[in-house]
Amino acid sequence: EAQVTQNPRYLITVTGKKLTVTCSQNMNHEYMSWYRQDPGLGLRQIYYSMNVEVTDKGDVPEGYKVSRKEKRNFPLILESPSPNQTSLYFCASSWAGTGPYEQYFGPGTRLTVT
Amino acid sequence: GENVGLHLPTLSVQEGDNSIINCAYSNSASDYFIWYKQESGKGPQFIIDIRSNMDKRQGQRVTVLLNKTVKHLSLQIAATQPGDSAVYFCATPTGQGNTGKLIFGQGTTLQVKP
Repeated sequence: EAQVTQNPRYLITVTGKKLTVTCSQNMNHEYMSWYRQDPGLGLRQIYYSMNVEVTDKGDVPEGYKVSRKEKRNFPLILESPSPNQTSLYFCASSWAGTGPYEQYFGPGTRLTVT
Repeated sequence: GENVGLHLPTLSVQEGDNSIINCAYSNSASDYFIWYKQESGKGPQFIIDIRSNMDKRQGQRVTVLLNKTVKHLSLQIAATQPGDSAVYFCATPTGQGNTGKLIFGQGTTLQVKP
């Protein structure tokens, strides 16, 4: 089944404890993105990647890191999480052939930082 | 910079009626728009897109209309069903080239009354 998977789905952590949210897609998509969703603010793009080893900042990159060492994986790293990073996070992927904007989203990771 | 916004945070319609969800954008150079649907507890799902060289595009029970003069687009859902209950987002690419960088509106929650 074609899908985008994220792990973990739920995470409660404390301020300053490094964490990684994994994202993997099995569709051989070139493009991948990370978003955060907050009430009243909609979806905001954190980072995006056009292909392996090609990443760039979205609208809200502060406090986050990403890497794209393999085509299928795009982990999101929070080196020192803070309470304002409490949010619902989505990973998405898309195929260059149909354009990078027909994105397939994962199920989301709900992160709480205390 | 680019910006998209939805007119109403919530829209309530009777089952079987037609729904119209509106979205405005600020950048007259925007040439591509996408509608996503997000059901409760799930990631957004691509519905339909439209390029600026078109005024109208139809899908299955959905139609998107684009008015470039007033920088407005709408998503029309015919014969609204309970399964259409969701949050609907309009989105448009931002930045130069096909980077995968998207900006989303805040979303309109569609409630379908039985």
